Amino acid sequence: AQSVTQPDIHITVSEGASLELRCNYSYGATPYLFWYVQSPGQGLQLLLKYFSGDTLVQGIKGFEAEFKRSQSSFNLRKPSVHWSDAAEYFCADNKIIFGKGTRLHILP
Amino acid sequence: DVKVTQSSRYLVKRTGEKVFLECVQDMDHENMFWYRQDPGLGLRLIYFSYDVKMKEKGDIPEGYSVSREKKERFSLILESASTNQTSMYLCASSPRWANYGYTFGSGTRLTVV
Repeated sequence: AQSVTQPDIHITVSEGASLELRCNYSYGATPYLFWYVQSPGQGLQLLLKYFSGDTLVQGIKGFEAEFKRSQSSFNLRKPSVHWSDAAEYFCADNKIIFGKGTRLHILP
Repeated sequence: DVKVTQSSRYLVKRTGEKVFLECVQDMDHENMFWYRQDPGLGLRLIYFSYDVKMKEKGDIPEGYSVSREKKERFSLILESASTNQTSMYLCASSPRWANYGYTFGSGTRLTVV
């Protein structure tokens, strides 16, 4: 069965530090993959998406993600986090499957 | 700016009441979805619709029904609300080919007492 897995439930980083959130997928063909962000009490907002082609995709708010077929991964990165990045992040595919989310905490 | 609007941000209902959660999108999207979100469980799909008057069960349809009489509106119905349906409910929409990702509403936090 297809699945999207986010191994980390919580991640804590210091403001200004780099960030990487992990996402693994289980899919036979090349998947369509997405990252969403959810601020407290809000709905989800699309950060970026991967269809095909360039494996490094840029998104909004300074985020990027890299598709690695050999590792079945689509990890989200940001070079320097800001306090406003504290939120929950979801990886998803286009088969309506979401990961369970990673909550990002930022230390001042 | 494209939008998915959920009619209520917060609702408090009594056990046994019939509850309607409304969702409207202005993007002419074919697909619409209802999820519930609970701590530690992520997003779980309740129902989705890929066209007017069409509906498909998701992972947790028990205790819920849906209605889609118009393309822009997708309603979630709790026939007889129970305390275990206390949750955050999220509506989303997408074009027919969901490869473009979803647009979500802001959510409705429902408390059943």
